Amino acid sequence: GQSLEQPSEVTAVEGAIVQINCTYQTSGFYGLSWYQQHDGGAPTFLSYNALDGLEETGRFSSFLSRSDSYGYLLLQELQMKDSASYFCAPYGGDKLIFGTGTRLQVFP
Amino acid sequence: EAEVAQSPRYKITEKSQAVAFWCDPISGHATLYWYRQILGQGPELLVQFQDESVVDDSQLPKDRFSAERLKGVDSTLKIQPAELGDSAMYLCASSLRPSGTIYEQYFGPGTRLTVT
Repeated sequence: GQSLEQPSEVTAVEGAIVQINCTYQTSGFYGLSWYQQHDGGAPTFLSYNALDGLEETGRFSSFLSRSDSYGYLLLQELQMKDSASYFCAPYGGDKLIFGTGTRLQVFP
Repeated sequence: EAEVAQSPRYKITEKSQAVAFWCDPISGHATLYWYRQILGQGPELLVQFQDESVVDDSQLPKDRFSAERLKGVDSTLKIQPAELGDSAMYLCASSLRPSGTIYEQYFGPGTRLTVT
């Protein structure tokens, strides 16, 4: 079967660091994508991890441990505009599987 | 910057009526996806096209939903008849190559459907 777990909501203040965890169980796994979606907006691609380890892109970093079926998205120097929903999406070679996402609220 | 276009942005229809959504992917993107997103949930794949061929429609309610991409470019998703439970955001996405970048999809702004 397939399962995907993320926290439903995370709150933080501007300038802080927040980590959004993702555990997955899929039949077939190639890598883990992360998407951001602002309220009323479309999902936008943030990152993709095919190999174990940390990938850094500006203020955002994404980590994958294939042996633990675990990944996380790390957001540094939080800004108000980072308030959005974040989805981890395992890629099984043919399609992405989106979970219910994590709603991040950044407070001043 | 190239974008995925969708229309209409909003649609209100009565149950039992027919409704159609249109999507124009980024030029050169061979793979096109239709997703349904219910408020508070993640996108759910309805159908995936590779050029003009359907690759995956396992989650498409085929008794009422249909999708086509006749020339392998733009696509139409149709619902007939619409039901109250179809109220959702319908998102179209595209990706560049057949399999190499399915993990990196570009989404359109979506069509917000309300069925009354």
